[in-house]
Amino acid sequence: DTAVSQTPKYLVTQMGNDKSIKCEQNLGHDTMYWYKQDSKKFLKIMFSYNNKELIINETVPNRFSPKSPDKAHLNLHINSLELGDSAVYFCASSQDLTGVSYGYTFGSGTRLTVV
Amino acid sequence: GQQLNQSPQSMFIQEGEDVSMNCTSSSIFNTWLWYKQDPGEGPVLLIALYKAGELTSNGRLTAQFGITRKDSFLNISASIPSDVGIYFCASRGAQKLVFGQGTRLTINP
Repeated sequence: DTAVSQTPKYLVTQMGNDKSIKCEQNLGHDTMYWYKQDSKKFLKIMFSYNNKELIINETVPNRFSPKSPDKAHLNLHINSLELGDSAVYFCASSQDLTGVSYGYTFGSGTRLTVV
Repeated sequence: GQQLNQSPQSMFIQEGEDVSMNCTSSSIFNTWLWYKQDPGEGPVLLIALYKAGELTSNGRLTAQFGITRKDSFLNISASIPSDVGIYFCASRGAQKLVFGQGTRLTINP
C-alpha cells in the first residue's frame, strides 16, 4: 500500500562508481520529483517530471540523469560518484504541476554514502 | 531565488509545553504548507493554507497564513514525545515547492 516507494533505502558505494535509485508511485499522480537533503537537512529540488516530460533541471551536474519510463516511475542514475554526493535523496509526487492542492507525497528516502 | 526563513532552527522543550515556530519570506506566496519529518522518513504534510489570514487546525496543531502573505506560523499545543522531528514550511515557487531550513524539535520527558 506504499504510496511512493524508493529503493534502495541505503546505498554505500565507492567514489567513481555508477549507481541508480528507483522510485515508483501508485497514487496516479502526474508529476514526480527528486529532492536532495544535505547534512543540514536542507531540502533542494533536483528534477521534476510531468507525464514523463522533464520540467525542472535545477543546475544539477550532468552526472545525474533522471529517467521516467512512465508517469508512475522516476529513476535517478548517478555516474562517477563523488564524496559530495553523499546525502539523502527523496522522491516525491504530486497530483499535478502546481503541487499545492494536496502538497507533495514523499518517499522514505535513500541514504547514499560515498566512501 | 525565493527563500523561506524558518525560526527557530531548533527547540528543546519539556513534554506538555506549547510550541511556536514561524516562516518568513521577502516574497509573497499564495500557499503555505507545513510538513513534519520523522527520523529516517520523508516529510509528511501536516497542514495546507490557501488564503491570507486563514487559520487551520489539525488536532493539536494550528497554522496561520499571515495577512501580508509573506509569513506563516505553526503552533503545537501540549507537546507529546511523538511530536519530535523536523518541521518544514514550504510554499510554491516556479513549478516547485520551496522549503524552509526546518525547525528541529526535541522534547525532554
